[in-house]
Amino acid sequence: SYELTQPPSVSVSPGQTATITCFGDKLGDKYAYWYQQKPGQSPVLVIYQNTERPSGIPERFSGSNSGNTATLAISGTQAMDEADYYCQAWDSSTGVFGGGTKLTVL
Amino acid sequence: EVQLVESGGGLVQPGRSLRLSCAASGFTFDDNAMHWVRQPPGKGLEWVSGISWNSGGIGYADSVKGRFTISRDNAKNSLYLQMNGLRAEDTALYYCAKGALRAAAGGAFDIWGQGTMVTVSS
Repeated sequence: SYELTQPPSVSVSPGQTATITCFGDKLGDKYAYWYQQKPGQSPVLVIYQNTERPSGIPERFSGSNSGNTATLAISGTQAMDEADYYCQAWDSSTGVFGGGTKLTVL
Repeated sequence: EVQLVESGGGLVQPGRSLRLSCAASGFTFDDNAMHWVRQPPGKGLEWVSGISWNSGGIGYADSVKGRFTISRDNAKNSLYLQMNGLRAEDTALYYCAKGALRAAAGGAFDIWGQGTMVTVSS
């Protein structure tokens, strides 16, 4: 079955750029999606179709996808961005999530 | 306001059944696919099942295939998940999520409910 691999944790200083990667075989041939989940809350879509931001998502969130790796970047990271982030893609009509990355802003 | 409200969770013994419901409001329900995504306590997200706008397309994760059945009633703006033969590993918070597309597969999960907890234990 298809797998998406994310680093368990990423740390970033306030104001810096946080980068979260998602690795999957030929992931660049698929669309990648990114979700933010804060403690005790439901997930929120932050990036769709590799690079697009839903309305209401700050411009500091951006995405890319090429080769085997999709990347979520958060520029000018703020304390409010501290959360778990999940990548997601579709493979053979099955939804697949990465294991999640805990972003710590310190 | 777009809203999804899940219900039907609870404590159930292994091997028993449970039916989850999701009530949708604030959008044209039959314009979109709908999905169930679950999250075991302290763990990550797992897609469970999806259904197309007209129920013509349905998909399941291998982990639930043959045991769970997804359905929808567009007249009632409602999504359902019938869960049979429940196992301890099915213990999770079950989210209802709106698909961005009409098809059962593909697209983002652009709106999520607050979830309903299912605990399978004797």
